[in-house]
Amino acid sequence: SQQGEEDPQALSIQEGENATMNCSYKTSINNLQWYRQNSGRGLVHLILIRSNEREKHSGRLRVTLDTSKKSSSLLITASRAADTASYFCATDKTSGSRLTFGEGTQLTVNP
Amino acid sequence: GAVVSQHPSRVICKSGTSVKIECRSLDFQATTMFWYRQFPKQSLMLMATSNEGSKATYEQGVEKDKFLINHASLTLSTLTVTSAHPEDSSFYICSARGTSVPDTQYFGPGTRLTVL
Repeated sequence: SQQGEEDPQALSIQEGENATMNCSYKTSINNLQWYRQNSGRGLVHLILIRSNEREKHSGRLRVTLDTSKKSSSLLITASRAADTASYFCATDKTSGSRLTFGEGTQLTVNP
Repeated sequence: GAVVSQHPSRVICKSGTSVKIECRSLDFQATTMFWYRQFPKQSLMLMATSNEGSKATYEQGVEKDKFLINHASLTLSTLTVTSAHPEDSSFYICSARGTSVPDTQYFGPGTRLTVL
């Protein structure tokens, strides 16, 4: 069963705006990862944040992790139409164990 | 980066036939491969985990005789949907994990299966 919940389920913004997606989980984790999926395609790995990290940056992406609240957020700054996709968080309990995916957020960036 | 391919990308078959989907890691050795199923507008559901040279571990509710998984080498895993029925129509995605970055799974582009 999916332990991750993401909100919002759908987000529509204008190009240039920032997009924030949230993910919550229920059990203790080793890592939390964010993936992007374009419609009808596979998943692209975006960023991994370890349970002992609080914030991580990669280009226009900023990920935060709050293990006390069992939640994470993904911020995409200066969004582009090409950022339109579904975004999933995924957690694992131990290094190399199975991933459990959240329900995903559908992001639409309007040009 | 690590590349995973899937073949075919799209397949349409008649009810009762079997379909084989291949998942290959192109530039790394995948000690573990995962098979997922995804319905429209839903998240990924793990079907099974396969380690090279050993039997796959199936998730609860997934019929191992229906979904045959073979991980014969460090770069290839196959999923065979046997005696396919319309309810097996779905998007099947594989992922692969190597030893250099064990915490990250690299995903294939997916296979769209339609059973008529």
